[in-house]
Amino acid sequence: ETGVTQTPRHLVMGMTNKKSLKCEQHLGHNAMYWYKQSAKKPLELMFVYNFKEQTENNSVPSRFSPECPNSSHLFLHLHTLQPEDSALYLCASSQVGQYYSNQPQHFGDGTRLSIL
Amino acid sequence: QQQVKQSPQSLIVQKGGISIINCAYENTAFDYFPWYQQFPGKGPALLIAIRPDVSEKKEGRFTISFNKSAKQFSLHIMDSQPGDSATYFCAALNSGYSTLTFGKGTMLLVSP
Repeated sequence: ETGVTQTPRHLVMGMTNKKSLKCEQHLGHNAMYWYKQSAKKPLELMFVYNFKEQTENNSVPSRFSPECPNSSHLFLHLHTLQPEDSALYLCASSQVGQYYSNQPQHFGDGTRLSIL
Repeated sequence: QQQVKQSPQSLIVQKGGISIINCAYENTAFDYFPWYQQFPGKGPALLIAIRPDVSEKKEGRFTISFNKSAKQFSLHIMDSQPGDSATYFCAALNSGYSTLTFGKGTMLLVSP
């Protein structure tokens, strides 16, 4: 496989469920990101991991919990979500560092999440 | 506060016409400006990008024009084709933070 792979592609869950989204990148990048994409809104950056360390958390509610066990894998653990959390969740990766300026982010195809 | 403003929200162009999407930014620390193309059911894919020391970049039918003093940049799609129908996002990167700020997107429909 190449690029950024996200699973599952679709997820329907109740507000009391616990589920996890998975992202895997095969590009050798050292940074990974979670975005939320809602209709008619800009992509919202949720979390950033550089070299497996979380470097940014954009005031995301605690019902979203990221995990980055290594530079190739990223998870988003979901718990007690609200209907307004229904959206497309996108994972991306890029190469960052002193010698890597202007490197684009590569996106997966996302997980379409629906909260009942 | 939205730091990258994109217009129009939607655009209909006839096949063979020119599609133009505009973006404006506020933060002068941005130093890289990519455009992403997103088809339904897919994630955004990098289309073309420009640095602020260049006023224009062309790749095939796609051209970015950049006006640093006005803090504006635009995407031109020449000879637009039905296969170009997608949502286009402009973005701006501050390399010091390695995070992208996106515009709201433009839904382009190229009619046959």
